[in-house]
Amino acid sequence: DIVMTQSPDSLSVSLGERATINCKSSQNILDNSKNKNSLAWYQQRAGQPPRLLFYWASTRESGVPDRFSGSGSGTEFTLTISSLQAEDVAVYYCHQYYNVPYTFGQGTKLEIK
Amino acid sequence: EVQLVDSGGGLVKPGGSLSLSCAVSGFTISNIWMNWVRQTPGKGLEWVGRLKSKPAGGTTDYAAPVKGRFTISRDDSKNTVYLQMKSLTTEDTAVYYCTTAGLGMGFGYWGQGILVTVSS
Repeated sequence: DIVMTQSPDSLSVSLGERATINCKSSQNILDNSKNKNSLAWYQQRAGQPPRLLFYWASTRESGVPDRFSGSGSGTEFTLTISSLQAEDVAVYYCHQYYNVPYTFGQGTKLEIK
Repeated sequence: EVQLVDSGGGLVKPGGSLSLSCAVSGFTISNIWMNWVRQTPGKGLEWVGRLKSKPAGGTTDYAAPVKGRFTISRDDSKNTVYLQMKSLTTEDTAVYYCTTAGLGMGFGYWGQGILVTVSS
C-alpha cells in the first residue's frame, strides 16, 4: 500500500499569512500515461464532508479560491494558502488515487494564530 | 445539480449486518466509478472500496480490512449504489461517505455522511 504522510499534523497561522502543508508518498505516484501525478487535496470543515481542492496535484477544482495552490511531483507535494482567511480553518488531507487501495494522509489541522 | 444522499446507518451489534444506500442525482451511475470512504477520529479517512463504471467492466475492489465482508453494488433503475456490510466489528464504527469523481479525477462529489455504530 502507498503510505501518505503529511506534515505538520497541526499548523497555526495568522490571518493574511502563508500556510504550507506538505505531503509525501511512499512511492512515486506519477501516472506515466498522462504524465501527471495522481494526487488530490481536500479541505474538511467541521461537520462537513471533505471538499476537493486539487487533483493531478495542481489542477484547481472549480470554485476554489486562487489563494490556494498545489504543487509537487514524484513523491513530494505541497498545498499552499497564500493569505490565510478565517474560512480556511479546517483539516486538510492529501490523497493518492494512483492505485488501490487508495490512501489518504493523516490530515493537517489548520488554525488561526 | 449533482447530489449524493447517503442513508441506512445506525446502531448494530458486533457480528451483525447493515446496508447503506447512496442515491445519486445528476449522473447516471452506470457511467461513473463509485467509492465508499469512511472516517473515524482515530484513523482519519479510509477508503473502503469502489465499483467501476459499466464501460470499465463494473467490477469491485475493496480495502483489506473489509474484503470478504463488505459488498458494493448498484441498482441502475434507482440510480443508487449500496454498501452491504456483514460480520461487523467495533472497528467498523465510522461515518461512511459515498463519493465519486464524476467524470473527472479526485473525489469531487460526496454524500453527507452516515454514522454506523457497532456496539453491544
